[in-house]
Amino acid sequence: DTGVSQNPRHKITKRGQNVTFRCDPISEHNRLYWYRQTLGQGPEFLTYFQNEAQLEKSRLLSDRFSAERPKGSFSTLEIQRTEQGDSAMYLCASSSSGGSDTQYFGPGTRLTVL
Amino acid sequence: SQQGEEDPQALSIQEGENATMNCSYKTSINNLQWYRQNSGRGLVHLILIRSNEREKHSGRLRVTLDTSKKSSSLLITASRAADTASYFCAPGFQKLVFGTGTRLLVSP
Repeated sequence: DTGVSQNPRHKITKRGQNVTFRCDPISEHNRLYWYRQTLGQGPEFLTYFQNEAQLEKSRLLSDRFSAERPKGSFSTLEIQRTEQGDSAMYLCASSSSGGSDTQYFGPGTRLTVL
Repeated sequence: SQQGEEDPQALSIQEGENATMNCSYKTSINNLQWYRQNSGRGLVHLILIRSNEREKHSGRLRVTLDTSKKSSSLLITASRAADTASYFCAPGFQKLVFGTGTRLLVSP
């Protein structure tokens, strides 16, 4: 069990560019979640998958955001036409619906939009 | 899912002292979880307590749950400088809704 991993750990981009983050969940976990966290705040839910199905999306997730989990394993979160307000830590978590459903978090990807 | 509200917002203690932080929520839950976050890092799961449990221990951590008052507390005994972090509670499961957390500072 290697835990949840996220890549890259840091990303600096210019406003208007597209960025993509990857999350690899704990291998036997069928649920995967994305959260966003800004300084001084708790994480905010963005979206979650059960296997490859995206079951819920927050209203925070504008049309510029898209998440996929094509084979029910790793997931990607893409932000198109980044804005300075997108600067945040993007956290991924995974859980097993067959267990306690406890969410285990990855280390996060810190995005800075210049 | 619903939001947990942690209290106090900040807590400063000396090493060796105990730290208590509280969480309140609004509607019935099946379980509640506590997480720790060191500065700039991901969240670490500390403990899950179910609605039919009143108290749970894990090492130096003690969590209580009072479903009648819709509140939970996290006690860290004999605190260490390494316990310096933000602590969050999360009622329910799946779509977790976090408050702003309790920022704990443990000074040597």
